[in-house]
Amino acid sequence: AQTVTQSQPEMSVQEAETVTLSCTYDTSENNYYLFWYKQPPSRQMILVIRQEAYKQQNATENRFSVNFQKAAKSFSLKISDSQLGDTAMYFCAFGTYGGATNKLIFGTGTLLAVQP
Amino acid sequence: DAGITQSPRHKVTETGTPVTLRCHQTENHRYMYWYRQDPGHGLRLIHYSYGVKDTDKGEVSDGYSVSRSKTEDFLLTLESATSSQTSVYFCAIKRSENTEAFFGQGTRLTVV
Repeated sequence: AQTVTQSQPEMSVQEAETVTLSCTYDTSENNYYLFWYKQPPSRQMILVIRQEAYKQQNATENRFSVNFQKAAKSFSLKISDSQLGDTAMYFCAFGTYGGATNKLIFGTGTLLAVQP
Repeated sequence: DAGITQSPRHKVTETGTPVTLRCHQTENHRYMYWYRQDPGHGLRLIHYSYGVKDTDKGEVSDGYSVSRSKTEDFLLTLESATSSQTSVYFCAIKRSENTEAFFGQGTRLTVV
């Protein structure tokens, strides 16, 4: 069974600084995809960034980038120039190509607080 | 916003009563999911569906059942609610395998 582990329950960063959130996963699949989602206090789930396992290049979306290490099964999220609006719970998620079946598994989350 | 609506948004029910939560989508997406969110546990998959009448169990399916008789509706039923099922429940939809999952606003269920 696939599992997703986020080992940092809470993190704090100063505004304008850089922070990295860690995520590891366990799978025997070779083809899969990964997401980072953000959940602000509004409770709405918002996609931050996605990565296909077959792509060696790390995904980037503005201030958000990932460090995808397939062999190590690691998928960390780097937030540059942190802003107060980045304060949220961040979830790492893993999904497989399964044809009919298509589970999407989430980690336990990291609560990020951006301090002014 | 993706066309996904959860109802009710809030519910308080008594132990032992049946409860049904509804997820309705207007996007014609194939995949639909039910998660529960609890502090320290993140989002845990309860059940999911990959088509009309096609469903499968997730990590925490005990005590829950689902039905999908139409593309647009995915129902989650607690046959006999227990206090351990007090949680925030999220529905999500996906168009295809590696596409973004869109989430509903969540349902806060309290079992007393």
